[in-house]
Amino acid sequence: NAGVMQNPRHLVRRRGQEARLRCSPMKGHSHVYWYRQLPEEGLKFMVYLQKENIIDESGMPKERFSAEFPKEGPSILRIQQVVRGDSAAYFCASSPGQRMNTEAFFGQGTRLTVV
Amino acid sequence: AQSVTQLDSQVPVFEEAPVELRCNYSSSVSVYLFWYVQYPNQGLQLLLKYLSGSTLVESINGFEAEFNKSQTSFHLRKPSVHISDTAEYFCAVSEDSGAGSYQLTFGKGTKLSVIP
Repeated sequence: NAGVMQNPRHLVRRRGQEARLRCSPMKGHSHVYWYRQLPEEGLKFMVYLQKENIIDESGMPKERFSAEFPKEGPSILRIQQVVRGDSAAYFCASSPGQRMNTEAFFGQGTRLTVV
Repeated sequence: AQSVTQLDSQVPVFEEAPVELRCNYSSSVSVYLFWYVQYPNQGLQLLLKYLSGSTLVESINGFEAEFNKSQTSFHLRKPSVHISDTAEYFCAVSEDSGAGSYQLTFGKGTKLSVIP
């Protein structure tokens, strides 16, 4: 049973380009969460998705960021027109149920560097 | 709204010495508490969690944490650390119901450095 798979592990983008981060949840998990870790900070909640639905995107920046979790395939976090401040580690977690007290597993993260 | 405070950003400790990493939280509702560990360039791994029942919880690698409701604390302890414990440790909290139950609020982390 593979864990939460995120790719790429490292991503370098120039300012103004688009970044696409992918997350495949654990088998049997239909709940996906994205978190962002800025340098010297703890992780901050961004968005919670179930298959084909965004449940809570209260932590997402209002512009340039979007997330989806299609019926088939991985969840995608998309950042358009990246800026230096988007440089961070982006972590995905998945769980079998809605509550984080159930076993929520984190992926190894995608480290985005904007140059 | 919840918040988590990890009082120490860095903790150096000699090998085989005891260590305590402090965590305090604030919340207006009942919470679940977690400690995660992040090794260099790795993802987060759940170390231990408190959901209910005994206030003392243990991990398989010798760490333990005690939930203290009156002091709103969930400090992490280990009686004798190893070099391999060098990592960053994050305390986190989630509510036990409602929208907060699917969000983890993290502290800023404590970097534990074990000195040989």
